[in-house]
Amino acid sequence: SQQGEEDPQALSIQEGENATMNCSYKTSINNLQWYRQNSGRGLVHLILIRSNEREKHSGRLRVTLDTSKKSSSLLITASRAADTASYFCATDVYNQGGKLIFGQGTELSVKP
Amino acid sequence: DTEVTQTPKHLVMGMTNKKSLKCEQHMGHRAMYWYKQKAKKPPELMFVYSYEKLSINESVPSRFSPECPNSSLLNLHLHALQPEDSALYLCASSQTGALSYEQYFGPGTRLTVT
Repeated sequence: SQQGEEDPQALSIQEGENATMNCSYKTSINNLQWYRQNSGRGLVHLILIRSNEREKHSGRLRVTLDTSKKSSSLLITASRAADTASYFCATDVYNQGGKLIFGQGTELSVKP
Repeated sequence: DTEVTQTPKHLVMGMTNKKSLKCEQHMGHRAMYWYKQKAKKPPELMFVYSYEKLSINESVPSRFSPECPNSSLLNLHLHALQPEDSALYLCASSQTGALSYEQYFGPGTRLTVT
């Protein structure tokens, strides 16, 4: 399968703590994206990191990409209860423009 | 306007019914997508339209029939579905389908097949 693996599958933390989610993938990519999904709703794009980038920041989010290990991580700092959601990494498929393969997702629960 | 709208929000249909899901965006995006998502699973790509032409069909059964009447609209026609087709159907759009841009998702249609 081309789908990525994410770990952990579930993560429960207290407000104010940091949350780290990891994603591994199998094929060459142009970029990797992270999305958030609140229960039963549509996905919201968080951040896109290109294959020639190693780190990217957006507000409380920090994403790293290691193409040699085919892995990425998403760090959410100073988490809030509103960050409770499922988080998915998604990789494009080389030479199949527009096609995204989503990882299995990490279910994050932030307790107030 | 960065919104993708989907109608209906919920749909219950019998196995002999014909129904359609609708998706609309007004961001000028030229690529539109249909995904299927089962509970606690990631979205699975079904179809991609690029510049109103079907560019990717992920071997979806013919009981699902996509249509892109214009650059803002995307339909998914449903006919003779099976109970296992019950899922959340998500529509998304992006600038183009040539490269991977961020995708904007609608809220989804929760489909139940009885």
